[in-house]
Amino acid sequence: AQSVTQLDSQVPVFEEAPVELRCNYSSSVSVYLFWYVQYPNQGLQLLLKYLSGSTLVKGINGFEAEFNKSQTSFHLRKPSVHISDTAEYFCAVRPAGGTSYGKLTFGQGTILTVHP
Amino acid sequence: NAGVTQTPKFQVLKTGQSMTLQCAQDMNHNSMYWYRQDPGMGLRLIYYSASEGTTDKGEVPNGYNVSRLNKREFSLRLESAAPSQTSVYFCASSGDGRVSYNEQFFGPGTRLTVL
Repeated sequence: AQSVTQLDSQVPVFEEAPVELRCNYSSSVSVYLFWYVQYPNQGLQLLLKYLSGSTLVKGINGFEAEFNKSQTSFHLRKPSVHISDTAEYFCAVRPAGGTSYGKLTFGQGTILTVHP
Repeated sequence: NAGVTQTPKFQVLKTGQSMTLQCAQDMNHNSMYWYRQDPGMGLRLIYYSASEGTTDKGEVPNGYNVSRLNKREFSLRLESAAPSQTSVYFCASSGDGRVSYNEQFFGPGTRLTVL
């Protein structure tokens, strides 16, 4: 089984400041990793994913994340945030390989609030 | 392309009432999922359907049933609603769920309150 821990439930930050949202996972098998964003009263949208290869992955809206296998982490970063980045962010994992049928395990979510 | 649609958007039920949440996708996806979202708990998988004609339990299936009506539609039924089922329900779909690069696409959600 897999588990995901997002270390911060809320992250306030000022506009144009950098931000890091932290995600640690636990799994006995290899995993694929994802970050989703949820804007108020909307569904989830994929920001980026790590399947294999380079451990630094870039996503939409200027976000990037780094996979660290030894620390079992997949932290999300953005060098300069905008007001429009205010949303809830979810880290998720699924077992690598085909038998999981794409079932995702989500973290608890981090609410990012960008202040002017 | 509407993507994933869900009806209704909002619903209030009394304890013991039943209802069905509807989900449809127009992306010709094989796999569909139902999640519930509760504050501080992220999203938890209720049921999924790997392909038309198959369904299986997820992490929190108790109190729910599902039907994969056809390739497009996947419904979630609450037979006897309980206050603990107050939540936001999301439907999602993906291409073959066994393929790693097939991301899940989410609907806008249904906010359900059980009094």
